[in-house]
Amino acid sequence: AQTVTQSQPEMSVQEAETVTLSCTYDTSENNYYLFWYKQPPSRQMILVIRQEAYKQQNATENRFSVNFQKAAKSFSLKISDSQLGDTAMYFCAFMDNDMRFGAGTRLTVKP
Amino acid sequence: EAQVTQNPRYLITVTGKKLTVTCSQNMNHEYMSWYRQDPGLGLRQIYYSMNVEVTDKGDVPEGYKVSRKEKRNFPLILESPSPNQTSLYFCASSPRNPLYGYTFGSGTRLTVV
Repeated sequence: AQTVTQSQPEMSVQEAETVTLSCTYDTSENNYYLFWYKQPPSRQMILVIRQEAYKQQNATENRFSVNFQKAAKSFSLKISDSQLGDTAMYFCAFMDNDMRFGAGTRLTVKP
Repeated sequence: EAQVTQNPRYLITVTGKKLTVTCSQNMNHEYMSWYRQDPGLGLRQIYYSMNVEVTDKGDVPEGYKVSRKEKRNFPLILESPSPNQTSLYFCASSPRNPLYGYTFGSGTRLTVV
């Protein structure tokens, strides 16, 4: 079964700085999709960014970008110009037939 | 508005009293899924459904039941809740193309005493 590992339970960053959240996964599949979800204190799950495994180009959504290393099975999230509203739990997720999540990283953005 | 609607948002119940958490989506999605979220464990899949009348177990199905009689609805049933089922539950739906990921409901906080 596929597994997703987020090795950083908690992180903090100063407002306007850049932070990178790590994620690794294990799969024998070649075609799959990777996602980062944000869960603010409202507990709503919000899709931040997605990556198709067959695309080598790293996905970017405004201040959010990923570093996708397929051979290393790594999918890190970079948040640039961090804002107070970025404070949340962040979950990395892997999807082929169904979606599996990592344990999450709690990010705090400090003023 | 395209959404997944879960009810109730909060529920406190007693051990052994059957309960149902409802889930409905208005996006005509084929895939629907239930997850539970516990601290330090992330979201773990309970059951999923790839279409009407097609359901399968996820990683933690014990103590739960589901049904998919209509495409839009996917209720989660706890026949005899126990305290270890105290958790935050999410329903989610997705179109057949996995590129779009899951759209999540707003969650149900369940406490079993």
